[in-house]
Amino acid sequence: EAQVTQNPRYLITVTGKKLTVTCSQNMNHEYMSWYRQDPGLGLRQIYYSMNVEVTDKGDVPEGYKVSRKEKRNFPLILESPSPNQTSLYFCASSSPRQGANEKLFFGSGTQLSVL
Amino acid sequence: AQKVTQAQTEISVVEKEDVTLDCVYETRDTTYYLFWYKQPPSGELVFLIRRNSFDEQNEISGRYSWNFQKSTSSFNFTITASQVVDSAVYFCALSDTGANSKLTFGKGITLSVRP
Repeated sequence: EAQVTQNPRYLITVTGKKLTVTCSQNMNHEYMSWYRQDPGLGLRQIYYSMNVEVTDKGDVPEGYKVSRKEKRNFPLILESPSPNQTSLYFCASSSPRQGANEKLFFGSGTQLSVL
Repeated sequence: AQKVTQAQTEISVVEKEDVTLDCVYETRDTTYYLFWYKQPPSGELVFLIRRNSFDEQNEISGRYSWNFQKSTSSFNFTITASQVVDSAVYFCALSDTGANSKLTFGKGITLSVRP
């Protein structure tokens, strides 16, 4: 089954404790992206990747890191989480060549709470 | 810069009523793509439609229809004979066709359909 898998689904952590949210897709998609969703703000892009080893900042990249060492994986790293990073996070991917112009396949989301 | 405005934040209707969700966008590009996504209470993001800027034909899919008007930069979504299962947050989104294509979401409209 074609899917984007995010883990964990829920995460509670404390300020400053490094964490990684994993994202994996099995559709051979080149384009992958991370979004955060906050009440009243919609979804905002954090980082995206057009291909392996090619990543770029979205609208709200501060406090986040990503890597794209393999086509299928695109982890989101919070080196020193802060309470303002409490949010619902979505990973997404889409078919080759078209990037964000194609239908995005989303993961189930990760609800992160930073205390 | 791209912008998507969903002026309605919350809409409540009674089952079987028709409801229209408004979406107004801004872009300097002549080629772009518009999307609608649905987020039911379970939280996942579900793709509904993708439309490119050269295709102004309205689309109907069952009880759903979309009205794309370039003259007013709008891409409105109508649900006919609404059902309780239509209760969700609906996002309109816009992407450009640049080398680093980006998807910009509106803030979303929460639709509640009462039995």
